[in-house]
Amino acid sequence: GAVVSQHPSRVICKSGTSVKIECRSLDFQATTMFWYRQFPKQSLMLMATSNEGSKATYEQGVEKDKFLINHASLTLSTLTVTSAHPEDSSFYICSARSPDLAKNIQYFGAGTRLSVL
Amino acid sequence: GNSVTQMEGPVTLSEEAFLTINCTYTATGYPSLFWYVQYPGEGLQLLLKATKADDKGSNKGFEATYRKETTSFHLEKGSVQVSDSAVYFCALIGSNTGKLIFGQGTTLQVKP
Repeated sequence: GAVVSQHPSRVICKSGTSVKIECRSLDFQATTMFWYRQFPKQSLMLMATSNEGSKATYEQGVEKDKFLINHASLTLSTLTVTSAHPEDSSFYICSARSPDLAKNIQYFGAGTRLSVL
Repeated sequence: GNSVTQMEGPVTLSEEAFLTINCTYTATGYPSLFWYVQYPGEGLQLLLKATKADDKGSNKGFEATYRKETTSFHLEKGSVQVSDSAVYFCALIGSNTGKLIFGQGTTLQVKP
């Protein structure tokens, strides 16, 4: 099956620093990737939709200047949490849409646990 | 808007017990329905899906049937194993949005 790799799996940073998370589709090209945030014992909240070669579309309430998304190639999307603060600590998960749009399937990375001190 | 509601957990069962996790949805048009599973410390894996009414998705002994009349997609398994312990998410993709909407997740604990 399709594989999505997310890196790093865990990161601890100091308040005020920026953190970059990478999401790669390893064996298929993904024109569309998604970034989610998951709070403890809660569901996934869609943050933004990332389209290759164009600007990301952010969900209501998500600060685009805080969560910078770049989708520079068909296999890589990055999420940068800028000037991170403790309230940004969370589990961030990316997904990539199957190239077969008729299947309407998203393949998920293993997630990145961000802890901001 | 589109939404998904799952039964609250945690659900605790003994090995070989029958499992049902209820899921109902609200959506316009004809959404596709999914069950995803999240094992501890991992991302989500697609468990099964159904794309139209009366479709039955199945995988690894799990089944769910797309019931349009009751707007439900309940997950069932006849005999659970300890290795099935995980969080299960019901989700839909609306025909009008293309976005994946998740339920709140149900934690399943299976004891030997």
